[in-house]
Amino acid sequence: DQQVKQNSPSLSVQEGRISILNCDYTNSMFDYFLWYKKYPAEGPTFLISISSIKDKNEDGRFTVFLNKSAKHLSLHIVPSQPGDSAVYFCAASFGNEKLTFGTGTRLTIIP
Amino acid sequence: DVKVTQSSRYLVKRTGEKVFLECVQDMDHENMFWYRQDPGLGLRLIYFSYDVKMKEKGDIPEGYSVSREKKERFSLILESASTNQTSMYLCASSLPRDPTNDEQFFGPGTRLTVL
Repeated sequence: DQQVKQNSPSLSVQEGRISILNCDYTNSMFDYFLWYKKYPAEGPTFLISISSIKDKNEDGRFTVFLNKSAKHLSLHIVPSQPGDSAVYFCAASFGNEKLTFGTGTRLTIIP
Repeated sequence: DVKVTQSSRYLVKRTGEKVFLECVQDMDHENMFWYRQDPGLGLRLIYFSYDVKMKEKGDIPEGYSVSREKKERFSLILESASTNQTSMYLCASSLPRDPTNDEQFFGPGTRLTVL
């Protein structure tokens, strides 16, 4: 039972354009959401997060949007840069320290 | 900076061998986690620990055990390695839950191949 889903396994975006990565969840109890970025042969690194009491959080080129009624969150990267090419995982948690991860989206930025 | 280290980057073992994967964190974090990452399946939680000598099963604990004798060290044990345990293994640590931050810090991973 996949409680956190990333339905696009891959995404290609032109350099300088906007990258939009999507994530859906099924458990309405989730109250905290995170995005991680992972390069090959490295561990995931934290990118940005959002609490369920908010609907938007920005950090530089990265913005996460949360739509609780649709159980959907998205990560926007503007403008996209070649160094953004990586696998992106969304994750969710509630009530404890456990994170439930999505299956990941491989983002490729085309120069 | 939080540092999570894993004992090996690459490991090759034979079916039936006992395998130990070690993880050490230097930030005095209470929580430690072991995940495996497989293509198309994302990160799946194997075991986690909230404190020394405490452990809880994650989503896929079968075939694995863990040990946490010291706060900074969390070991994953494959009692009898099988080919379906070939994977990337990731260790992570975090502080106790803070409503404003559930961030986990990850090590570089161990790519285990079981032949």
